[in-house]
Amino acid sequence: NAGVTQTPKFQVLKTGQSMTLQCAQDMNHEYMSWYRQDPGMGLRLIHYSVGAGITDQGEVPNGYNVSRSTTEDFPLRLLSAAPSQTSVYFCASSYSVRGLEAFFGQGTRLTVV
Amino acid sequence: DAKTTQPNSMESNEEEPVHLPCNHSTISGTDYIHWYRQLPSQGPEYVIHGLTSNVNNRMASLAIAEDRKSSTLILHRATLRDAAVYYCIPLSNDYKLSFGAGTTVTVRA
Repeated sequence: NAGVTQTPKFQVLKTGQSMTLQCAQDMNHEYMSWYRQDPGMGLRLIHYSVGAGITDQGEVPNGYNVSRSTTEDFPLRLLSAAPSQTSVYFCASSYSVRGLEAFFGQGTRLTVV
Repeated sequence: DAKTTQPNSMESNEEEPVHLPCNHSTISGTDYIHWYRQLPSQGPEYVIHGLTSNVNNRMASLAIAEDRKSSTLILHRATLRDAAVYYCIPLSNDYKLSFGAGTTVTVRA
């Protein structure tokens, strides 16, 4: 099992550009989510999905879109990048059972200039 | 979501135990208590979880107060690799992990 795979690991964007952060898991997990972590801060939930075709907003959804067409993949789209979106982005997956652990990817470090 | 209170930082010597407290006085009766840690430049990593009883695994032990308003994560013999930010997270029905600031653990050689 590869676990949760995020690509790319690093990315520099210019203000106004769009891009998609990729997240894939091979554990057949129902629940997937995206977080951002600003320097010195805890993680904040952006969007999440409880299964293919179902997504919902988290704490800080503005400026981001998601879709979940397959169980394995949960891409995060930045529509028009802004410097405030400079952050480290983490994808996570888990079974939709509260007593089980979540697995996190290694993160994508995004800089918007 | 239940609010949590953790100390900002704790220090320990290598090979000594570390007791990390967490106050979650507003936790509901069905919330699991999860602990995650984040090593430098890495994604969070699951440590342990419990509901009412104390729990042990290869990484740590979790002691949950009888009234469930607090819990303590115990690292029995800290190593340099245990230096990380530790997050205490009550997990409710919506499965969403809510990360606070956590406790930064420093281990001295």
